[in-house]
Formats: sequence, C-alpha cells, structure tokens
Amino acid sequence: DGGITQSPKYLFRKEGQNVTLSCEQNLNHDAMYWYRQDPGQGLRLIYYSQIVNDFQKGDIAEGYSVSREKKESFPLTVTSAQKNPTAFYLCASSGLSSYNEQFFGPGTRLTVL
Amino acid sequence: GQSLEQPSEVTAVEGAIVQINCTYQTSGFYGLSWYQQHDGGAPTFLSYNALDGLEETGRFSSFLSRSDSYGYLLLQELQMKDSASYFCALGGGGFKTIFGAGTRLFVKA
Repeated sequence: DGGITQSPKYLFRKEGQNVTLSCEQNLNHDAMYWYRQDPGQGLRLIYYSQIVNDFQKGDIAEGYSVSREKKESFPLTVTSAQKNPTAFYLCASSGLSSYNEQFFGPGTRLTVL
Repeated sequence: GQSLEQPSEVTAVEGAIVQINCTYQTSGFYGLSWYQQHDGGAPTFLSYNALDGLEETGRFSSFLSRSDSYGYLLLQELQMKDSASYFCALGGGGFKTIFGAGTRLFVKA
C-alpha cells in the first residue's frame, strides 16, 4: 500500500536538544511538506520541497531545518533555537500538478520537557 | 498576505445538512481545498475548487465564489462519524498552502 510514514508517533526530548523527525513516502510524489499544529489550531507551514536537493521556507521556519537528499524522504530537525517546539508535526506530499490535494502522514507528537 | 476565516465550532443533528463557511484574503489564488481531521489523526483531503461553482463528492460538496472571496463545505445526511475538524486551505503559487484555523463540527444524535 502506498502512503506516508512518520516516526516515531510520540517523542519526548529535553530542552536544548536537537531532534529529527522522520518522514518517508512511497507515493512517488515530487513535493513534500512539513506542518506544525498546535492544540485547537490550524496547520502552519514550516518547510516545503518540490524536488530533490531543493526546499523553501514556509511561514514558521525559524528554529527548524530540513534536507531532501532522496525523493522519498524529507526529515525535519527541530533545533534548540526553536523557542516553543512542543507540538504535533505533520508531514505531507503531493504530485507536482496536484499540490492542492496533499496526503498526510499520521504525525509525530513532540513534547519537550 | 493571505488569510482565511472559518467559524470555530458548528453543531448539527444526525441526518441533517450543515454548511461550513470560509472567507479568505489573498493577492494570488490557485484554488480552495477542504480537509477533514479527526482528533489525534491526520488531515484527509475532501475536495478542491479551482473554479467558481459547486463540486460534489458523495455526501460532501464544496462551493467557491472568487468574486466574493468565499467558499463553503456542505455535508449532507450527517453521520456521527462526521464529527471532526474541517479546514479550508488556500493554494498559492509555488506550492505554498495556507490553512484556516479549522471548524470543529459536533454531530448530535
């Protein structure tokens, strides 16, 4: 079955530590996205990538970094510079001609203690 | 910039019809999408309007009026499983998508 996987589902880290969230897709999609969702809020775009080895900042990129070395993978690193990292992180992908229809992974709930 | 507004909550009765509105402001526009998200789950795509008018997909329909900067999602024959949050999302140029804050739908028996 095609889809997007994110791991782990729950992640706990101490303040000041960097943490990397995994996102893998086997939908053969060119575009991938990272969103942050806070309780009772909508999704805010962190980074997105249209092609391997290229990515752009979204609205809230400060304190985050990404890489896109493979088409299937788009890991997100939450750095210690992110002031309030506790949130639900969602990865998504889409085709190049259908970016208005995004497919989401199950999400990673990050808690920084 | 771009922004979207949705009601925060809507309550309806099982079997009824409910409309969730979305108004937006944007300088560029490539389409309005709708997503459903159950508590703790991932958003799932419901519908997309690139042009003015009504798009129907089973019990769900979505409408767009560019001249009014307005769209809505219509859910018919409501079921308890439709209780969820619904987000409108604005597609801009370059793959950047802006989501509304979401409307929480409560379906009562």
